[in-house]
Amino acid sequence: SQTIHQWPATLVQPVGSPLSLECTVEGTSNPNLYWYRQAAGRGLQLLFYSVGIGQISSEVPQNLSASRPQDRQFILSSKKLLLSDSGFYLCAWGQGMDEQYFGPGTRLTVT
Amino acid sequence: AQSVAQPEDQVNVAEGNPLTVKCTYSVSGNPYLFWYVQYPNRGLQFLLKYITGDNLVKGSYGFEAEFNKSQTSFHLKKPSALVSDSALYFCAVRGKWGNFNKFYFGSGTKLNVKP
Repeated sequence: SQTIHQWPATLVQPVGSPLSLECTVEGTSNPNLYWYRQAAGRGLQLLFYSVGIGQISSEVPQNLSASRPQDRQFILSSKKLLLSDSGFYLCAWGQGMDEQYFGPGTRLTVT
Repeated sequence: AQSVAQPEDQVNVAEGNPLTVKCTYSVSGNPYLFWYVQYPNRGLQFLLKYITGDNLVKGSYGFEAEFNKSQTSFHLKKPSALVSDSALYFCAVRGKWGNFNKFYFGSGTKLNVKP
C-alpha cells in the first residue's frame, strides 16, 4: 500500500532563516505531487505541483520554491522566511483520475 | 474556470440526527468531485468521489453524497451523525483540460455534532 511522509511535524523558525520541508511517497511510482498551505485551519492554497522529476508548476508567486530531485520526493524551500509564511503545510500525491492523498502536515511558526 | 463553494461556515447537528454539508460546483462538462475530512492538526482524509455513474455515491465512515447536475451540487450526507464526525469537511473539484492535474478546494465547513 502507499504511504506519504512529511517532516518535520512541527517547526519554529525566526524571520529571515531558511526553510526546508520534505515529503516522500512510498508504494507508487511517477505520482503527481502537491504542496498546499492552510492558514488558520481553513482553506487550502495550492503552492506547487509536479507531474515528474524536475517539473514544477508554481501557483503563487512568493518567496517559496519547490524541487523534485527524485520520483517520490518533493521538497519545499525558502531562503528567507517571512512572518506570513506561518501555517500548516500539506503535501499530497495523486495519480491518473484518482483522488489525492495527503500527508500528516508540518506546522510552521515563523517568529 | 473551475471552483467549488461551501456556503456554510459551520453546521451544527445533534447526535443521531441526519446531517448534510453543502457543496456547489462550477466547471464545464462532467465534473470530478471529491469530499475530504480533516481532524485538528491532521492531514485531509479522502471520503468519497464522483467520477461518473450513479448519482448517489457511498464512501467511508457511513458518508454518502448526491451528485445533482441540474443544481450543480454535491452535498455530503449521513443518516445518523456521531460526535466523532465533528471535524472540518472540504469539497473539491478536479480541473479540466490544461488544469486536469489541479484540484480546487472549497473553504471548508466545520461540522459540530453535539451529544
